[in-house]
Formats: sequence, structure tokens, C-alpha cells
Amino acid sequence: SQQGEEDPQALSIQEGENATMNCSYKTSINNLQWYRQNSGRGLVHLILIRSNEREKHSGRLRVTLDTSKKSSSLLITASRAADTASYFCATANQAGTALIFGKGTTLSVSS
Amino acid sequence: GAVVSQHPSWVICKSGTSVKIECRSLDFQATTMFWYRQFPKQSLMLMATSNEGSKATYEQGVEKDKFLINHASLTLSTLTVTSAHPEDSSFYICSARETGSLINTEAFFGQGTRLTVV
Repeated sequence: SQQGEEDPQALSIQEGENATMNCSYKTSINNLQWYRQNSGRGLVHLILIRSNEREKHSGRLRVTLDTSKKSSSLLITASRAADTASYFCATANQAGTALIFGKGTTLSVSS
Repeated sequence: GAVVSQHPSWVICKSGTSVKIECRSLDFQATTMFWYRQFPKQSLMLMATSNEGSKATYEQGVEKDKFLINHASLTLSTLTVTSAHPEDSSFYICSARETGSLINTEAFFGQGTRLTVV
């Protein structure tokens, strides 16, 4: 089963612009993670935010978490063509053993 | 980060045959590995949790007799798609977490296997 929804499903921007993706989830969480997937490849971990954190930064990435709304956002600043990929949020399944993923946002950055 | 190697990266097989996909943790031990399936332009769907030395735990709706999982060592899990049919064509991805680490840490993913059944 999937945890929640991301929006938008697809996002097209120009290099240098910022990209914001949102994720909603259904159950209570200990943390939420964001992953990136280049087309036809595996996933790469980007950032993890704990349930007691509201915001976290890593380079050009900024993640926010609102547990009251069960939502998170990923902001990529000053985007580059190399940021073109699909981005997924993930949380633990009910058993707390595996990650389950949102539907993802496909980001296209044109130069 | 830790490296998970998945092999093969792509495979084409005939209907009715079986295909084995390997997932190896190269520089860490993984008591637990995870198998996902991904259809084009869709998210990853958890198929099963592979446990070293014991039976895999399958998600609801996943046929355990069709998707055989073996996790015989701390660094290797295999997924065998038995009697493959065209509808089994998909992208299969494995994931591993270092033994002893919690769900609160990142997971490492293989590069995926594109299976095409003709």
C-alpha cells in the first residue's frame, strides 16, 4: 500500500528556479524521508526529517514537516538540469519495518 | 553511502520461464532486505520483506509462490519470478538496511532490474 500523495505529479521549470513538491501521509510517523530516482534507476536518499523537527536543510534542499497536517514539502532552490528526476517521500509501514512511498513528483528542469 | 548491487539490470525472458534477480549488500550486512515493484511512471510498491535465515514476509496481494524470495546470507537476497507472464513485466528494485539500524535511518537501494516477459 502507498502512504500518501505527492503533488504536483509533474513539475516543469527552468534552471535557476525553485521547485517545491508536497507530500501528504496518512498515519502517525517517527520520521519522513525524501528520495530521488533518476529515470530507470534505483533510489537515492536525500534527507530525513524527524517528527519533532519542523524544518531541515541540506545544501540546496529544504524540507518542512507539519505533523498536524500530516504533510511535508521538499524545496529545491536554484534548480539545475541535473535535478531532473522523480522525487518520492517515504515513511515507515505500520509494522515499522519497511519504507512505503508516496506517488512521487516528476521534476523536469530545462536549461 | 553503503552500496547495494542488483543484478541483472535488465532481462528479457519468455513466458513460462523463471527469472532470478539478485540483490547484494556490498559493504555492509543486511539482515533484512526489501523488494519493490514499480510500474512505469508510478511509485514503488512494497512486495515483500526478506529476512535472513527465515521466510519472507509478503504484502497483501503478492503471490508468494510466484515471487520466491531467498535470503540465505547476510549480504544476498534473491527474488525469483516463477512462470513469468507478460503482466509480470515491470521494474523490480531491492533495498537494504544495515543490520541493527532502525527504520529511522536511510535505506540503500539497488539500481533496479527491468524485466520484460515476451
